[in-house]
Amino acid sequence: KNEVEQSPQNLTAQEEEFITINCSYSVGISALHWLQQHPGGGIVSLFMLSSGKKKHGRLIATINIQEKHSSLHITASHPRDSAVYICAADNTDKLIFGTGTRLQVFP
Amino acid sequence: DGGITQSPKYLFRKEGQNVTLSCEQNLNHDAMYWYRQDPGQGLRLIYYSQIVNDFQKGDIAEGYSVSREKKESFPLTVTSAQKNPTAFYLCASSTGPVDEKLFFGSGTQLSVL
Repeated sequence: KNEVEQSPQNLTAQEEEFITINCSYSVGISALHWLQQHPGGGIVSLFMLSSGKKKHGRLIATINIQEKHSSLHITASHPRDSAVYICAADNTDKLIFGTGTRLQVFP
Repeated sequence: DGGITQSPKYLFRKEGQNVTLSCEQNLNHDAMYWYRQDPGQGLRLIYYSQIVNDFQKGDIAEGYSVSREKKESFPLTVTSAQKNPTAFYLCASSTGPVDEKLFFGSGTQLSVL
């Protein structure tokens, strides 16, 4: 079993839909990262959080330390949100990456 | 604009050949990392460096080598000892320990001829 699991692996949505991507981890962490990888391969760091909730524009990330679970939400999704979303658990020694969730948003 | 530059974008390796992937950053970051990405797998750490002239092996360092002679540069050499080098390679940097925000390059796709 992977130490960081994401679900779903693939997600298809219509424009304006509310999107939720989940990340569960089994290791102790100091923080959790959410990253976005576009089709060209480049990765952008979206959030780093260690508790509670963070919001940036239409993106919201939450984390529940007791349940070892984090979610990334996208409100009013848009085709330009189509990308692979990756969560990574920081267990102080290193980052442990999930395998990613491929999101496609259609007009 | 500050950022991380990886080159080349595509690279081909012949049998028995060493190839070097370039990673340069102008963010004044101390820490730099090399990751390998394979289809269906999470990113895996090859090598990392927290400071100039020092680097440590990651989880999959065998068949790879690095150097950190300058703060801005962290080249990765894929040696002939790496038997399965075909992958997407990503360089990253951060201001300090791993819990800081990460900045990634655009990646290099390495393929074996």
